[in-house]
Order: sequence, then structure tokens, then C-alpha cells
Amino acid sequence: DQQVKQNSPSLSVQEGRISILNCDYTNSMFDYFLWYKKYPAEGPTFLISISSIKDKNEDGRFTVFLNKSAKHLSLHIVPSQPGDSAVYFCAARVYNTDKLIFGTGTRLQVFP
Amino acid sequence: DTAVSQTPKYLVTQMGNDKSIKCEQNLGHDTMYWYKQDSKKFLKIMFSYNNKELIINETVPNRFSPKSPDKAHLNLHINSLELGDSAVYFCASSQEGRYYEQYFGPGTRLTVT
Repeated sequence: DQQVKQNSPSLSVQEGRISILNCDYTNSMFDYFLWYKKYPAEGPTFLISISSIKDKNEDGRFTVFLNKSAKHLSLHIVPSQPGDSAVYFCAARVYNTDKLIFGTGTRLQVFP
Repeated sequence: DTAVSQTPKYLVTQMGNDKSIKCEQNLGHDTMYWYKQDSKKFLKIMFSYNNKELIINETVPNRFSPKSPDKAHLNLHINSLELGDSAVYFCASSQEGRYYEQYFGPGTRLTVT
């Protein structure tokens, strides 16, 4: 019963272009959605979040979009840089708890 | 000045053994967690502690027991290890009011043979 899904296991993008990572969820009892970034042999690192009452949040090169009616969120990285190459996990917080549900991740590769 | 540290980084052991993984955070956070990432890359919460009190206890076998001597430490003890326990275990912490922003340790890769 996977409540948070990342259907693309990998994505390859040229440096300078836009990277778009997608995530779908099935549970309406989430109040925050998050993106974490993970390099090999390291733990995930918090990247950006969005409240369920908003539809967009921007932080530098990173923007997260939330479409509640479609139960879909996406992370846009513009412009993409080689250092962005990592596994990106989408996560959702169960309403008013400290419990996060993670997707299985999308491996992003940014090539020169 | 590592924020969340775990020891050991790698742990190879035989079935039936008992082992512990230690976690420490120096961020002053009140809440700490243990996650398990299995071979299919699912990252799933196991436990959370807030100020040494157990808050979340997911459906985890009784062989797994977290212990929090103080709010900066959350250790994970595993008894009678099984092959299916092989995974990467991550410790994490968060501050009050920002539970969604969790800081993870580097992980402990446990291999049970």
C-alpha cells in the first residue's frame, strides 16, 4: 500500500536545462509535502517543503508545485547543475504528526 | 561537527545474533527517529521519540527495541537477527514545530548472513 509514489526511477537532464521530478499521493490526510535529496553513502537531506494549503513554493533554483485535485506534486530545478545529480525523495507528512511517508526516489543525473 | 551521527557505518553479522546501532545528534532537537530502507529502496519509519518518550511505533517486530538515554541519543537494539533485517538503517532528528524537516544521519548498512 504505497501512499506516495514516484513512478520515474531515473531522469537524465542536460546542464542548464530544467529538471522536473514528479510525485503522486493517494492519501488526503497529508498536511505537508517535502522533497529530500540523497547522495550515495549519505543520509537524505531536506530540500524544500510545501504546505497543503499552498500550490507553489520557491527557494532559489528549486520550486515545488502542488496540485491537490490531482494529488500530484512536482519539483522543478532551474537551471540544473551537475551537483544536483542525486536521488530525490518525495515525502508527505501525516496530518499533525511527525510521521513522514516517503516515495521510492528518482535518480537525477545532470550531464554537461 | 557532524549533526546526526551513527555508529557503526557497516555491520555484518550472523543470523541469531544481537546487535546495536547508536545514534547521536548535536542539534538540540527534541525528536529522534529510526528509519529502515530496504532493498527496494523504501524508506520507512520505525520509531520516533520525543524527549525520551516513544511517540511512533510502527509495525515492527518486538525484536527491535529503541532506547533513548537522553534526548540527544536514540539507540536501536535488534535481537535474534534474521536475514530479512538486512537493510540500511537511518537515524534522524527534528525540532519542535518543524517535524517535516528531518535531519538524517549517514546510515548504517546491516548485513545479516
